[in-house]
Amino acid sequence: NAGVTQTPKFRVLKTGQSMTLLCAQDMNHEYMYWYRQDPGMGLRLIHYSVGEGTTAKGEVPDGYNVSRLKKQNFLLGLESAAPSQTSVYFCASSYATPWDEQYFGPGTRLTVT
Amino acid sequence: SQQGEEDPQALSIQEGENATMNCSYKTSINNLQWYRQNSGRGLVHLILIRSNEREKHSGRLRVTLDTSKKSSSLLITASRAADTASYFCATWNAGNMLTFGGGTRLMVKP
Repeated sequence: NAGVTQTPKFRVLKTGQSMTLLCAQDMNHEYMYWYRQDPGMGLRLIHYSVGEGTTAKGEVPDGYNVSRLKKQNFLLGLESAAPSQTSVYFCASSYATPWDEQYFGPGTRLTVT
Repeated sequence: SQQGEEDPQALSIQEGENATMNCSYKTSINNLQWYRQNSGRGLVHLILIRSNEREKHSGRLRVTLDTSKKSSSLLITASRAADTASYFCATWNAGNMLTFGGGTRLMVKP
């Protein structure tokens, strides 16, 4: 099993550009999450999904959109990137409840200039 | 907002020594988890302790939970250079998602 994979691994955007980050899991997990990690801030939840076709806002959702059209994929979109969105983005999944162990992807390092 | 706060923020020890890091949280919880993050990698789950448990062991790891003080500690015994990483506590309470603290950076010198 590949676990949780993320593409791309690195990306540099100019202010105002858009992009989509892709997360895929092959563990048949119901829950999927997108976090951002900034120095000294730990992980902050952006959006999450409790199943195929569902999404919900986390702690810091502004400037991001998500979609979960297939159970194994969770996409994070930035419609108009801003320098404040420079961060490392992690996707995670958990089996069936929000208190289950979460499995993390390797991360995407995004720089917005 | 961060529910859990780790202390210390950074810790440096010699190989073979024990490492203790603490996590304090603000509101009541149902369970608390500890994760490890190696540099440049995603987080890896270490251990989960429920609110009705006081202590849990996993190999060289020992986790305690004191709900009256709203705090938890992670003890790594006989540390190794490979234990060098950041360690995060994460708390869960009903109706919410998992909330992570800011982490403790542990360096184990060979």
